[in-house]
Amino acid sequence: EVQLVESGGGLVLPGESLRLSCAASGFTLNTYTVSWVRQAPGRGLEWVSGMSSSGGNTFYADSVRGRFTISRDNSKNTLYLQMSSLRAEDTAVYYCAKDRVKYRVSGDAFDIWGQGTMVTVSS
Amino acid sequence: DIQLTQSPSSLSASVGDRVTLTCRASQGISNYLAWYQYQQKPGTAPKLLIYDASTLQSGVPSRFSGSGSGTEFTLTISSLQPEDFATYYCQQFDGHPITFGQGTRLEIK
Repeated sequence: EVQLVESGGGLVLPGESLRLSCAASGFTLNTYTVSWVRQAPGRGLEWVSGMSSSGGNTFYADSVRGRFTISRDNSKNTLYLQMSSLRAEDTAVYYCAKDRVKYRVSGDAFDIWGQGTMVTVSS
Repeated sequence: DIQLTQSPSSLSASVGDRVTLTCRASQGISNYLAWYQYQQKPGTAPKLLIYDASTLQSGVPSRFSGSGSGTEFTLTISSLQPEDFATYYCQQFDGHPITFGQGTRLEIK
C-alpha cells in the first residue's frame, strides 16, 4: 500500500526551528516528486515546497524561501522539511503529498497525502 | 504566480441536487488543473477527485465530473450525497509555484 506518514510537529517559540519528516512506503522517493502542503487554521491549502524524484530540483513558495529547506534520505525513504526562523503565520497542519505521475518535474496533481502533522508557533 | 479564484465561496444545497463549482485562473494553464475534496476533520487529508481538468481519479464516484481548459474550469456533482458536503479546492500544476484556489464550502441546506 502506498502511504505517507508525517511526524515532527509541535509547539515552538517564534524564531525557533523544527524539522518535519515524511516517511514513504509502497514506493520510493527517487521515482516521484513529493511536496509539502499546509493549511493554517481557518485558511485554505498552501503549497510550501517540493523535491523532484532525482533530488536535483527543489521548489519553494515565496513565503518560506530562505527559511525552509527540503531534503531527503533515500536509505530511509524519508522526506524532510527543515523549518527555521519560524513565525506565527507558519502555524498550520503540514501534509506531505505525492505526485500522481512518475518522474514529473514541472508539477502534478497529488494522489496520495499523509495524515498531517500540526505545527504551532506561539509565545 | 498563477492565481486561482473559486466561486462561490460557499454554497448551500440539498441531497440530490446538482451543483457546479467554478475555478478561474489568472492566466492560461491548459488542462493542468486538479480538484480535491477536503472534509477538514482531524486526521483527514484532501482527496484527489479530478486531474487534468476532466479525468476522474480511480475510485471516485461517477457523479463527479470536471470540465474546462485555459482559464475557466468547473466541477459538477450530479446528485449530491450526504458524504459530499465538504470543502472543494482546485489546484493548478502548470509549473511552480503550485497554487490552490481559496476553496468552496458546500453545506447542507
